[in-house]
Amino acid sequence: QSVLTQPPSASGTPGQRVTISCSGSSSNIGSHNIYWYQQLPGTAPKLLIYGNNQRPSGVPDRFSGSKSGTSASLAISGLRSEDEADYYCSAWDDSLSGWVFGGGTKLTVL
Amino acid sequence: EVQLLESGGGLVQPGGSLRVSCAASGFTFSSYGMSWVRQAPGKGLEWVSYISGGADNTNYADSVKGRFTISRDKSKNTLYLQMNSLRAEDTAVYYCARHSMATGPDWGQGTLVTVSS
Repeated sequence: QSVLTQPPSASGTPGQRVTISCSGSSSNIGSHNIYWYQQLPGTAPKLLIYGNNQRPSGVPDRFSGSKSGTSASLAISGLRSEDEADYYCSAWDDSLSGWVFGGGTKLTVL
Repeated sequence: EVQLLESGGGLVQPGGSLRVSCAASGFTFSSYGMSWVRQAPGKGLEWVSYISGGADNTNYADSVKGRFTISRDKSKNTLYLQMNSLRAEDTAVYYCARHSMATGPDWGQGTLVTVSS
């Protein structure tokens, strides 16, 4: 059982906009920055969003993040086949004094 | 460029010990907190342990507390995770990660630890 709650799956067609939600509590998302990662099969997680809505250099602006209270979301616009991957949200948790993660959302591009 | 290179993974029997390492470069090692995160085969990500830049603060997930020890060597720019009393459920890819508020966390490519007889 993950501390942060994500839907297990999401899907969309090429060109569509999809969003992935992440729900937490006051000890994690409510108090700290949210991070989003993309993981392709057999590879390490890649940072997509940090500081709630900042993109590292090289991440396309099709990816955007937002946060409100104890929830956050990742939006992917102009969906492409190469976006098919697992997506994880993460935040620091004061109760754990460590990072907590969502269970991951498998995105399928139909 | 920040680089994190894990090593030391392998096959170990249940009850055994193993130490994994993370060689860091491209930044001032002692200025950043570091964590270990693991991912069991086909499963999600699980934070394992954290150590502050000065090594004066360490934290552990309940699942490894009392069995794993995180440490760092400033002279070698290397992070370690000593794993004792290993169990089958510790089988995972172990990633090291640098905590950075300015640019977000940086992760290594991981090292696979398999606990099996």
